[in-house]
Amino acid sequence: EVQLVESGGGLVQPGGSLRLSCAASGFTFNNHQMSWVRQAPGKGLEWVANIKEDGSEKNYVDSVKGRFTISRDNTKNSLYLQMNSLGAEDTAVYYCAREKWGGQLDCWGQGTLVTVSS
Amino acid sequence: AIRMTQSPSSFSASTGDRVTITCRASQGISTYLAWYQQKPGKAPNLLIYAASSLQSGVPSRFSGSGSGTDFTLTISCLQSEDFASYYCQQYYSYPWTFGQGTKVEIK
Repeated sequence: EVQLVESGGGLVQPGGSLRLSCAASGFTFNNHQMSWVRQAPGKGLEWVANIKEDGSEKNYVDSVKGRFTISRDNTKNSLYLQMNSLGAEDTAVYYCAREKWGGQLDCWGQGTLVTVSS
Repeated sequence: AIRMTQSPSSFSASTGDRVTITCRASQGISTYLAWYQQKPGKAPNLLIYAASSLQSGVPSRFSGSGSGTDFTLTISCLQSEDFASYYCQQYYSYPWTFGQGTKVEIK
C-alpha cells in the first residue's frame, strides 16, 4: 500500500523555524518527484515546492523562496521541508504528495499542522 | 503565475443530478490540468489528470474535458459521497497553481 506520513508540525513563534518530514512507503520513492502543498485554515490549496527524483532540481512558489528548502533522502525514503523565518501567513496544514508524472499529485499524506503564533 | 478561476464557488445539488464545474486558466495550459476532490478534514484525492484522463479507481461518473484555457469537470449522476470540495490545478508551468475551489453541498 502506498503511504505518505508527515511529521514535524506544531506551534512556532513568528520568525522561528520548523522542519517537516514525510516518510514514504509502498512504492519506489526515487522514481517519483515529490511536492509539498499547504492549506491555510478554511482556505484552498497552495502548491509550495517540489523536487526531482534525484534531488537535482527544486522549484518553489515565490512566497517561500529564500525561506523554505525542500530536500529528500532516497536512502531513507524521506522528503523534508525546512521552513525558516516563519510568519502568520505560513499557518496551514502541510501535505506531502507524490507526483504521478510531471505534476499530477496522485498520492497524499494526511497532513501536518503548522501554527505560527506568539 | 497562471491564475486558475473556478466557477461557481459553491452550489447546492441533489443526488442524481448532473453537475458541471468550470475552471479557466489565465493563459493557455494545453491539457496540463488535474482535478481533485477533498472532503472535510481529509487530504485531496486525484480524480482527473491531463484534463480528461480518469485516475485509476475513480468512478466513471466523473469526467473531464477542455484544453487551452477552459476546462470542465462533470459528475454525471451525483452520489451522496460526492458532496465535497473540488479543485483544479495547472501543472503547465511553475509555480503550479490551484483554483480557489468549488464546494458542492446537499440541496
